[in-house]
Amino acid sequence: QVQVVQSGAEVKEPGASVKISCKTSGYTFTRHHIHWVRQAPGQGLEWMGKINVNEDTARYPQRFQGRLTMTRDTSTSTVYMELSSLRSDDTAIYYCARDNTRWALDIWGQGTMVIVSS
Amino acid sequence: QSALTQPASVSGSPGQSITISCTGTSSDVGNYNYVSWYQQHPGKVPKLIIYDVTSRPSGVSDRFSGSKSGNTASLIISGLQTEDEADYYCSSYTTTKNWIFGGGTTLTVL
Repeated sequence: QVQVVQSGAEVKEPGASVKISCKTSGYTFTRHHIHWVRQAPGQGLEWMGKINVNEDTARYPQRFQGRLTMTRDTSTSTVYMELSSLRSDDTAIYYCARDNTRWALDIWGQGTMVIVSS
Repeated sequence: QSALTQPASVSGSPGQSITISCTGTSSDVGNYNYVSWYQQHPGKVPKLIIYDVTSRPSGVSDRFSGSKSGNTASLIISGLQTEDEADYYCSSYTTTKNWIFGGGTTLTVL
């Protein structure tokens, strides 16, 4: 069946970078974009961007440009999200999710907790 | 771009119907039929329940339905059940080719 499995929790100091993986299986990798969404403790969902896995192009909202990078490895059907210059307010659960090609996120990873603390 | 506007909380009794609104602008909800809704139980992963304003993924109860009028989309839950108690988020595509979520609504089933 379709699965999306993320890497484990991370603890980082302010100013560091974090790279999270999102391994997919059970479907044709290049047919679906992958999005990243984060959720700070007790807060709502925040869209971070998406990667067109087929064309290897990414789109990020203005607030993340310059410190967010999304990449993919078609040989392992894995997508990566790297966030740099971490701050305490980047502490959140980070989710990757598959785009169902109808502008909605139908399969979600289990989430990766990232804690930014000195 | 600000988040879509949702009520912070709504409540209802078992068997009743409730509506959760999601208000955007002509740059997002009002411009596209690409509104989706997600249900999130505490400590769980969000689950897609509505896409394309009114479509339900396979396996989602037909007690969940969606609609849109102008810049406001709505999620309607009929025949409320205790298991419907959760947070609900709307989302829309935007004219800047980005996505945006609503602030979320907590549904309490009394």
